[in-house]
Amino acid sequence: EPEVTQTPSHQVTQMGQEVILRCVPISNHLYFYWYRQILGQKVEFLVSFYNNEISEKSEIFDDQFSVERPDGSNFTLKIRSTKLEDSAMYFCASSVDRVVDTQYFGPGTRLTVL
Amino acid sequence: QKEVEQNSGPLSVPEGAIASLNCTYSDRGSQSFFWYRQYSGKSPELIMFIYSNGDKEDGRFTAQLNKASQYVSLLIRDSQPSDSATYLCAVRYSGGGADGLTFGKGTHLIIQP
Repeated sequence: EPEVTQTPSHQVTQMGQEVILRCVPISNHLYFYWYRQILGQKVEFLVSFYNNEISEKSEIFDDQFSVERPDGSNFTLKIRSTKLEDSAMYFCASSVDRVVDTQYFGPGTRLTVL
Repeated sequence: QKEVEQNSGPLSVPEGAIASLNCTYSDRGSQSFFWYRQYSGKSPELIMFIYSNGDKEDGRFTAQLNKASQYVSLLIRDSQPSDSATYLCAVRYSGGGADGLTFGKGTHLIIQP
């Protein structure tokens, strides 16, 4: 069964450093998403991406964040200058489209900012 | 402000009984409703989705939606110890460009053998 994959599973970085989290969405899906979950808190939407551009973004997704689809399979989230409060699980998800909108989540990347 | 409310629990249910999980949402324009299961340290796993008022059954799971009351529920029949997890209610709001899901904090379910 097709699934969303994410790399790395765990990323440790120093405050102020840039990180790139990678995702491979399900192959026939057109919408891609990033969510984050701070330990003990709820899952929060960051951004959605369709047709090579941002479709929707939340208040959390400020200028420190960017997303990109660098090739036909990968979808990336970049955090330019990490802060301590960026420490969280980051989940990538994908859906077929906005009508068939069930979102399937990848296993997540645990980001630890020291 | 879009809100999804769930009782955080823990909800303790004996093995073999029915577990009932509830969720309310704030925006009447919501159009898609999802239940995810999340084991500790893992990602959300889709259990059910429902779009229309009424009941939707899939195996041991039944999702119920009442848009007039802004209420979604999930019933788990014949509960098994492996059903012990946190259950997340998620809502997709309608409106132009609305893609992201709004999640509740989740209900921690414990199935007691």
